[in-house]
Amino acid sequence: ETGVTQSPTHLIKTRGQQVTLRCSSQSGHNTVSWYQQALGQGPQFIFQYYREEENGRGNFPPRFSGLQFPNYSSELNVNALELDDSALYLCASSFYLGSDTGELFFGEGSRLTVL
Amino acid sequence: AQRVTQPEKLLSVFKGAPVELKCNYSYSGSPELFWYVQYSRQRLQLLLRHISRESIKGFTADLNKGETSFHLKKPFAQEEDSAMYYCALSSNAGNNRKLIWGLGTSLAVNP
Repeated sequence: ETGVTQSPTHLIKTRGQQVTLRCSSQSGHNTVSWYQQALGQGPQFIFQYYREEENGRGNFPPRFSGLQFPNYSSELNVNALELDDSALYLCASSFYLGSDTGELFFGEGSRLTVL
Repeated sequence: AQRVTQPEKLLSVFKGAPVELKCNYSYSGSPELFWYVQYSRQRLQLLLRHISRESIKGFTADLNKGETSFHLKKPFAQEEDSAMYYCALSSNAGNNRKLIWGLGTSLAVNP
């Protein structure tokens, strides 16, 4: 069983740039969620993808966007980077069936630093 | 507003002592609550969820709807329990099940 993998693990960008983070979901999972975790904070829900469509969104501006591919992998794109976007970005996959999303399995995260 | 509160950022106990990590929530509806744990240099992982009513690694947590709490307890702490613990609430809107997280409690179990 392959776990959730994220890339890159670390990256540095400057304000105004754009970034793409990638996530491969765990084998057999059909749902991907993205979370932002600032230093000293709990994770904050960005959005969730199910069947290649956004399936719920947290309180994040439109410059945060994503994709889910037919193989259930996913991308998180952030445009016009701001200093406050510096954080650990976590991807979590799960298997959604009916009313139960099930346990979230997390990747190790991508640490983004915006200078 | 939906919210999860973990009042202690850091909890330090000695090995063999009982430990209780507090979690209070605010949610209008029937909550589903979780404890996730992150050991040093490892990824976040599920410790337990209230609907399963399991005991994992000696930890238990009971949902108290009257007190809106879901405290995590273990009668005898072990050094390997040292980790960051997050309480999370599942918020359901249709088939979107996002988790709302507390700030986390860092548990240090001293020898």
